[in-house]
Amino acid sequence: DQQVKQNSPSLSVQEGRISILNCDYTNSMFDYFLWYKKYPAEGPTFLISISSIKDKNEDGRFTVFLNKSAKHLSLHIVPSQPGDSAVYFCAASESNTGKLIFGQGTTLQVKP
Amino acid sequence: DTEVTQTPKHLVMGMTNKKSLKCEQHMGHRAMYWYKQKAKKPPELMFVYSYEKLSINESVPSRFSPECPNSSLLNLHLHALQPEDSALYLCASSQEASFGPQHFGDGTRLSIL
Repeated sequence: DQQVKQNSPSLSVQEGRISILNCDYTNSMFDYFLWYKKYPAEGPTFLISISSIKDKNEDGRFTVFLNKSAKHLSLHIVPSQPGDSAVYFCAASESNTGKLIFGQGTTLQVKP
Repeated sequence: DTEVTQTPKHLVMGMTNKKSLKCEQHMGHRAMYWYKQKAKKPPELMFVYSYEKLSINESVPSRFSPECPNSSLLNLHLHALQPEDSALYLCASSQEASFGPQHFGDGTRLSIL
């Protein structure tokens, strides 16, 4: 029973265009959501997070949108750069537990 | 550069060996975590330590024994592991278990012969 789902295993975009990565969740108790980027042979790197009291959070080229009614979040990267090519994991947690549940990941390839 | 340091980077051990994985952070974080990641799968939580006390054990077999000697260090003691325990073991830390993103180390790649 996957509580956090990333339905697209891979995504390919052209350099300079927008990358949109999607994530769905089923547990309505989740109230904190994060995106991580992972290169081979490295641990996940934290990118951006959003609390359930917000519907948008921006940090430079990265924006996360949260739609609580649809139990859906997305990560927008604009403009996309070749160095953004990596596996992107969506994660969610219930407050006060510290327990992160990860999606299966989406491999992003940004072509020059 | 990661601020969570894990040693060793690679470990090969037999099923009868005893070994330990180590994790260190100097960010003043009070929550630390162990995750297991199999190839092409997401990380899965094993243990959570909050203020040096074990707060979550995700029904992990007793052949994995965590230890938190102080607020900066987290160990994972391994004994009598099985081949299916071969995986990447990731350590993470956060300000508190209930607050702040978790920051990960680069992991220990463990192979059980």
